[in-house]
Amino acid sequence: GESVGLHLPTLSVQEGDNSIINCAYSNSASDYFIWYKQESGKGPQFIIDIRSNMDKRQGQRVTVLLNKTVKHLSLQIAATQPGDSAVYFCAVLRGSNYKLTFGKGTLLTVNP
Amino acid sequence: NAGVTQTPKFRVLKTGQSMTLLCAQDMNHEYMYWYRQDPGMGLRLIHYSVGEGTTAKGEVPDGYNVSRLKKQNFLLGLESAAPSQTSVYFCASSYSTSGGFEQYFGPGTRLTVT
Repeated sequence: GESVGLHLPTLSVQEGDNSIINCAYSNSASDYFIWYKQESGKGPQFIIDIRSNMDKRQGQRVTVLLNKTVKHLSLQIAATQPGDSAVYFCAVLRGSNYKLTFGKGTLLTVNP
Repeated sequence: NAGVTQTPKFRVLKTGQSMTLLCAQDMNHEYMYWYRQDPGMGLRLIHYSVGEGTTAKGEVPDGYNVSRLKKQNFLLGLESAAPSQTSVYFCASSYSTSGGFEQYFGPGTRLTVT
C-alpha cells in the first residue's frame, strides 16, 4: 500500500517570505505526485504535479522538488502572499492504480 | 465549462433518513471519485469509478452506495444515515486521453446527520 505523511501540520510565515511545505511517502514504486491547495470552504485545487522521472518542476511562484532516495516531496512558494493562506495537501499515485493517496495537509498562514 | 459540480451544497438529515448526492463533470473524464473530509483525517476515498457502468470500493465504503449510469454523473447514496456520516463530501474526476491524472474537485457538500 501507500501512506503519505506530513512533517508539519501548520506553518506560519511573513508576507514576502518563501514557504516550504514537506511531505513524505512510503512506497518507492510511486510515480506521480501532486500538490493541492484548499481554501476554507472550498474543494482542493490542483497546483502542480511531478512525475518520478523528474527531480524538480517549476510553475508560477511554485516549485516542487522530489527526492526519490529518501521518498520526500516538497512544495516551495516564492514571495508568499496573504492569498496563499490555505491548507496544502500532497497526493501520491502509483502505476496504473488511479487512486490518489492524500496526506493530511499543512495549514499555511501568511502574516501581513 | 463548469468543471465539477455537486448538488446539494448543504444538507441536514435525521438518523435513518436517506439521500443522494449528485456529482457532474463536463470535462469528459473517465474516472470519478467520492471522498469524505473530516477534521484531522485528510481526504478519504469512499468509492470510485473508472468508467461508465463501473464502480469500486475505496478506503471507507461502508454505509454508502454509488452508481455511474452516465459518464458525466456519479451519484453517492446514503441509505440510512448515521451521525458518523456527518462530514464534508467531495467529488472529483480525472483522466481523459488528452489530459493527465490530476483530479479536479467539486466545491463539496456539507452533510450533518442529527
